[in-house]
Amino acid sequence: DAGVIQSPRHEVTEMGQEVTLRCKPISGHDYLFWYRQTMMRGLELLIYFNNNVPIDDSGMPEDRFSAKMPNASFSTLKIQPSEPRDSAVYFCASSLREGAPDTQYFGPGTRLTVL
Amino acid sequence: DQQVKQNSPSLSVQEGRISILNCDYTNSMFDYFLWYKKYPAEGPTFLISISSIKDKNEDGRFTVFLNKSAKHLSLHIVPSQPGDSAVYFCAATLGSGNTGKLIFGQGTTLQVKP
Repeated sequence: DAGVIQSPRHEVTEMGQEVTLRCKPISGHDYLFWYRQTMMRGLELLIYFNNNVPIDDSGMPEDRFSAKMPNASFSTLKIQPSEPRDSAVYFCASSLREGAPDTQYFGPGTRLTVL
Repeated sequence: DQQVKQNSPSLSVQEGRISILNCDYTNSMFDYFLWYKKYPAEGPTFLISISSIKDKNEDGRFTVFLNKSAKHLSLHIVPSQPGDSAVYFCAATLGSGNTGKLIFGQGTTLQVKP
């Protein structure tokens, strides 16, 4: 299996622009997680889905952030409008089943820079 | 409110010596703890875990210790190797009815010098 695929790997944009990050989970996995990594706070869970349905979005920082999972093989995280403080590495992860936290497989991440 | 804290941003050790990475948590309801390892330009990968009913779990060169009364866990790497140089994240979760939701610390960058 190719693992979790994220695109783009790097994104540089200007403040106020819309940013869309993409994720393809491992085939057959029914949980999908979006994380953000910053120096100050480490890895923060933003939102996660089960069978394409958002379960917990309490980590989404503001209304500027939104996430969708239109089907089992694709998810997007959108920031509109983007701000410099959104600069971070965004990870997508997927897992096969509930109750198994050590089965989360992470993608390589998208490094976002907002100027 | 940071429920899982790694107070040392970095650690440097000599090859062959022991590396000890520390992690503290505040939520006494956490009952499952994990360590993840991350190389540059890659996503984190699972390393080792421990249930709260145990105080030690060992896997080869890696051992995790849990002190529930102190709300503290540590990862020991013996002997340390240059390939262990990476960022290490500790994480915690609620086991019963767990949704897979992990709470991560800020990470500690380990450098193992040859």
